[in-house]
Amino acid sequence: EAGVVQSPRYKIIEKKQPVAFWCNPISGHNTLYWYRQNLGQGPELLIRYENEEAVDDSQLPKDRFSAERLKGVDSTLKIQPAELGDSAVYLCASSTRRGAAENIQYFGAGTRLSVL
Amino acid sequence: DAKTTQPPSMDCAEGRAANLPCNHSTISGNEYVYWYRQIHSQGPQYIIHGLKNNETNEMASLIITEDRKSSTLILPHATLRDTAVYYCIVRENRDDKIIFGKGTRLHILP
Repeated sequence: EAGVVQSPRYKIIEKKQPVAFWCNPISGHNTLYWYRQNLGQGPELLIRYENEEAVDDSQLPKDRFSAERLKGVDSTLKIQPAELGDSAVYLCASSTRRGAAENIQYFGAGTRLSVL
Repeated sequence: DAKTTQPPSMDCAEGRAANLPCNHSTISGNEYVYWYRQIHSQGPQYIIHGLKNNETNEMASLIITEDRKSSTLILPHATLRDTAVYYCIVRENRDDKIIFGKGTRLHILP
């Protein structure tokens, strides 16, 4: 079974430029997450989707960040315009419920963004 | 904020058991203890979880104290590939949110 696939793995842009990250979750997983991970820190949730609906976007900086999951499968996270402080690793994860005793998130390898 | 406290780093000799502690003194009755790890340049990887009983799988064992205020992740025979940051997380299973702390950076020494 294929895992969570993210692209690109690395992206270098100049500040004020736009950038987009793509994520394809594990087949059949209805919940999709975007996280941001700063150097030396744990990942922080940006947005969570249940199918195509964003059910938790409280931590998403909405002035410059946007996300979509139009058909409830793959998802895109966009930053426009990028700022120096946006340099980080952007992680995508997916999950599906297997009863009440298990709710495991599976993560992609992430996209490392460097804003110059 | 993360509900757990972990040492920032630990060393373990290759082939020995690695015991990673975690304090979660404010854990509530319906919260599970989950462990993930993150190897360099990869996303976090699920290891194991438990509620109150000790758990074992092919990767590790999880020992939860009787009062559930702390737990220990045990890697029985550590290898160099176990070098990673290990995150201890408490969460309700009906809650899809994971709040990561800074974790423990485990160095396996040859």
